[in-house]
Amino acid sequence: KNQVEQSPQSLIILEGKNCTLQCNYTVSPFSNLRWYKQDTGRGPVSLTIMTFSENTKSNGRYTATLDADTKQSSLHITASQLSDSASYICVVSDRGSTLGRLYFGRGTQLTVWP
Amino acid sequence: EADIYQTPRYLVIGTGKKITLECSQTMGHDKMYWYQQDPGMELHLIHYSYGVNSTEKGDLSSESTVSRIRTEHFPLTLESARPSHTSQYLCASSEPGTSSYEQYFGPGTRLTVT
Repeated sequence: KNQVEQSPQSLIILEGKNCTLQCNYTVSPFSNLRWYKQDTGRGPVSLTIMTFSENTKSNGRYTATLDADTKQSSLHITASQLSDSASYICVVSDRGSTLGRLYFGRGTQLTVWP
Repeated sequence: EADIYQTPRYLVIGTGKKITLECSQTMGHDKMYWYQQDPGMELHLIHYSYGVNSTEKGDLSSESTVSRIRTEHFPLTLESARPSHTSQYLCASSEPGTSSYEQYFGPGTRLTVT
């Protein structure tokens, strides 16, 4: 069964600190893995997309890593800001259909305190 | 910022009413999607479209219906709303091409059926 599991479910950190969010998946055949940021009451916004051959990808203070062998990914946030408070969703796409089916994790709810 | 819009943003309606959630995009994307998301849970695909006059049901069974008469417009309709339909509904669109397409989300409609 194709699944995406994220940990932790929620996380509280102080402003300026770093944090790492985890994602494990069983989606096969694998096409790509995305990390989205979803602010409360808003739609998800893409942070990174990584294909099978990419091990790491950065977008400003966000750095995603992918280990396709162990089917694990992480999202590292450096020097956190209050505006980083949001849900971070790991999404894996398969290549078994023309639609490019997306499998969503439940997200990690990050809260940054001043 | 993605050019995809949803109206209304919030809707509180009584049981039995007919409602239409609007979604429009100005990016000329052929593929469009509707997702349902409950608090703390993953997004579930309920409808999608490959283009004009194309509509398909997603993974999560839904009593809603959709239409795609114009490329930019993908409305979702509930003929008779029930409390079980209370949820957040997210519309998305994507570029054509390979499975590494970017999927852009609208801000969502928060529906409450009393």
